[in-house]
Amino acid sequence: EVQLVESGGGLVQPGRSLRLSCAASGFTFDDYAMHWVRQAPGKGLEWVSGISWNSGSIGYADSVKGRFTISRDNAKNSLYLQMNSLRAEDTALYYCAKDESLTMVQGAIDYWGQGTLVTVSS
Amino acid sequence: QPVLTQPPSSSASPGESARLTCTLPSDINVGSYNIYWYQQKPGSPPRYLLYYYSDSDKGQGSGVPSRFSGSKDASANTGILLISGLQSEDEADYYCMIWPSNANVVFGGGTKLTVL
Repeated sequence: EVQLVESGGGLVQPGRSLRLSCAASGFTFDDYAMHWVRQAPGKGLEWVSGISWNSGSIGYADSVKGRFTISRDNAKNSLYLQMNSLRAEDTALYYCAKDESLTMVQGAIDYWGQGTLVTVSS
Repeated sequence: QPVLTQPPSSSASPGESARLTCTLPSDINVGSYNIYWYQQKPGSPPRYLLYYYSDSDKGQGSGVPSRFSGSKDASANTGILLISGLQSEDEADYYCMIWPSNANVVFGGGTKLTVL
């Protein structure tokens, strides 16, 4: 059974940093691309970032480019999101999600974690 | 990032069909993209439903009933999710998604489906 468990969320002041982690199990982690998708309270889904199986292809939404960095450690079956210069508008539930393919070209985001809440407020 | 336009709400009665739309901007052709569809119920993460490119290139998510299907209306530059035989448990938010380019994903704004 695919399991994705996010951690690292919390309350943080504007301008500060936070690092999210996602522990994956139930599948061969390094066979798949991975994503972070967020959802602000009462709002829709927003893709944040994705990374291919070997970290060779990485993408970011314009809203986070230059502030957020995605990475993965295939030896630890883990996905990360380093979030710097946080803003109030980054407040959201952050989902770790698995792609059905190796690459960042096409594919369904087919499994999702339960999410970790990030609140940016002074 | 292109903007995918979904009507904020839609409604239908049990047993009827619901047709949910996802309109692409005029500068990108729906015929060139896989359209992915997701269902989200309150308090739960999204669930992958299906993708549609053409009648010969489509796929259903694991365990997704066949009454969920996809199509396109090229004249309206729109992807369509059709839910037939509506059930009360189909009441949820529905999102479309595309890959407008490599390493780039976009979601639509979502449609809240009410089963009357």
